[in-house]
Amino acid sequence: KNEVEQSPQNLTAQEGEFITINCSYSVGISALHWLQQHPGGGIVSLFMLSSGKKKHGRLIATINIQEKHSSLHITASHPRDSAVYICAVRGQTGANNLFFGTGTRLTVIP
Amino acid sequence: DTGVSQDPRHKITKRGQNVTFRCDPISEHNRLYWYRQTLGQGPEFLTYFQNEAQLEKSRLLSDRFSAERPKGSFSTLEIQRTEQGDSAMYLCASSLVSAYNEQFFGPGTRLTVL
Repeated sequence: KNEVEQSPQNLTAQEGEFITINCSYSVGISALHWLQQHPGGGIVSLFMLSSGKKKHGRLIATINIQEKHSSLHITASHPRDSAVYICAVRGQTGANNLFFGTGTRLTVIP
Repeated sequence: DTGVSQDPRHKITKRGQNVTFRCDPISEHNRLYWYRQTLGQGPEFLTYFQNEAQLEKSRLLSDRFSAERPKGSFSTLEIQRTEQGDSAMYLCASSLVSAYNEQFFGPGTRLTVL
């Protein structure tokens, strides 16, 4: 079982819809990342958070440490948001590497 | 552009050949990470360096894989005697040594082994 589980695996939305992607993890963590990966492979870091909520433009990320759960929300979705969104966690026990979910493929239709 | 860069972006090779990839981190970052991503999967950790020291290696890093960071700046990842199962995207990331430790990713090198 993967330490990081994401849902849904695939998501298709109409332009303008509110989108939620979920991430659950089974290990203690020091930080959680939300990453965006476009076709061609490059990864962009969207958020890194260890508690509470962060907002950047139309993107909002929340984390509940007690429930070991995080969500990424996209408001007023746009076709350019189409990408794979990946949740990754950094463990507590001195490890510096990240454990990744398998990603959620988002397609926003005009 | 002062982000993480990787070279080449794409590599096609025949089974049994050796390949080498390069990663140039953000200049002031002293940590450098290598990850591998196969189709439809999230990236998996391979190894990381702090300055020139290789501090951790994953079990995924078989004897055919070797990584170096000789001067604590750029890093190379070499795969010897490539196999078709090595086909993947190889991602490099860098970070500062800090409690924050946010990793910044390069564009990746896509390897195809025929």
